[in-house]
Amino acid sequence: DAGVTQSPTHLIKTRGQQVTLRCSPISGHKSVSWYQQVLGQGPQFIFQYYEKEERGRGNFPDRFSARQFPNYSSELNVNALLLGDSALYLCASSLVSGAANTGELFFGEGSRLTVL
Amino acid sequence: AQRVTQPEKLLSVFKGAPVELKCNYSYSGSPELFWYVQYSRQRLQLLLRHISRESIKGFTADLNKGETSFHLKKPFAQEEDSAMYYCALYNQAGTALIFGKGTTLSVSS
Repeated sequence: DAGVTQSPTHLIKTRGQQVTLRCSPISGHKSVSWYQQVLGQGPQFIFQYYEKEERGRGNFPDRFSARQFPNYSSELNVNALLLGDSALYLCASSLVSGAANTGELFFGEGSRLTVL
Repeated sequence: AQRVTQPEKLLSVFKGAPVELKCNYSYSGSPELFWYVQYSRQRLQLLLRHISRESIKGFTADLNKGETSFHLKKPFAQEEDSAMYYCALYNQAGTALIFGKGTTLSVSS
């Protein structure tokens, strides 16, 4: 198993543009989460999806949106990019969501977004 | 408010020395606490979780509810332990991990 895969690995955008990041979870994992990691900080929660439904949302503006597909892969969209959106975006998958969660998140290598 | 605090940005020790990475938390109730590690050029991965009470790569962590701490310890550091360590806990809904800012552990010979 290749683990959680993310694409693209690196991308550069300009302010005001839109970006779509993609994530494929580990086979059998139905939950996908997105985190933003700014340099020098720990990962910060953006969204969690389970069985194609949003189960959790972090403190991010409405410019951030996501969805999960029937095959459990996921996309994170960010509109009207700001310089402050420059970060490493991490996707993580897990077996289940909520109280029944096994606890462990399996992370991808991330998509590094630079906004100029 | 749920929060994780890692007071040390960098911890430098010599090989064979004891290591203690500090983690304090703020949480109402019984937290689910974890240590994640990121080695150079590798992805973030789980090191250990308090509920399993296991020792991984010689590391242990004990939950101290009185002091609201979950410090990571190892009696004898190895050079391969050099990495970034994050303490984390699940939010009340169990949907999000709340991470600390991380501590870089540097072990030199």
